[in-house]
Amino acid sequence: GAVVSQHPSRVICKSGTSVKIECRSLDFQATTMFWYRQFPKQSLMLMATSNEGSKATYEQGVEKDKFLINHASLTLSTLTVTSAHPEDSSFYICSASRDRGLRGEAFFGQGTRLTVV
Amino acid sequence: GENVEQHPSTLSVQEGDSAVIKCTYSDSASNYFPWYKQELGKRPQLIIDIRSNVGEKKDQRIAVTLNKTAKHFSLHITETQPEDSAVYFCAADTGGFKTIFGAGTRLFVKA
Repeated sequence: GAVVSQHPSRVICKSGTSVKIECRSLDFQATTMFWYRQFPKQSLMLMATSNEGSKATYEQGVEKDKFLINHASLTLSTLTVTSAHPEDSSFYICSASRDRGLRGEAFFGQGTRLTVV
Repeated sequence: GENVEQHPSTLSVQEGDSAVIKCTYSDSASNYFPWYKQELGKRPQLIIDIRSNVGEKKDQRIAVTLNKTAKHFSLHITETQPEDSAVYFCAADTGGFKTIFGAGTRLFVKA
């Protein structure tokens, strides 16, 4: 299968600071990547669709100024949590699909556990 | 938008028994339905998927069925083993590779 790498796997930051999470497709090009948030024992909630070379598409209720997404290349998307607060603490995970024009398997990064203190 | 409902939220079975997880979706345009297994602290991994032009698909102990008319799809695991214990998510692809997940089912297989 395809490989998606996410970094860092864990991060602890102080309230008010910003944190950047990277998602890379290592062996394929991904024009579209997705960012999810997962609370303990809950499902993956889609936050936004990251589009290479254009603005991200955010789901309803997700603050675009709080969760900045940049997809500058075909293999890298970044999620920046700005002015983080304790309620932003969560598991963030990205995914990408290798297939074009055919809906197919999503490959997930290993996730980032963010703790805001 | 698409909404995926999944039941049950928790399922406990004896080793060797079968487990069935059911999902419904709302968007009739969805035509790709993957199932993911997520072990504690790990990323979700695809275990089986089905497209809308197929009614059933099987891979060893795992099978998935799809009823497009009723907008139902189900996961069947036979001869369950302790290593099958995990959280299982159904999902529906609404187009543009956008995947919406069900709430998840926590499966416990008792030895």
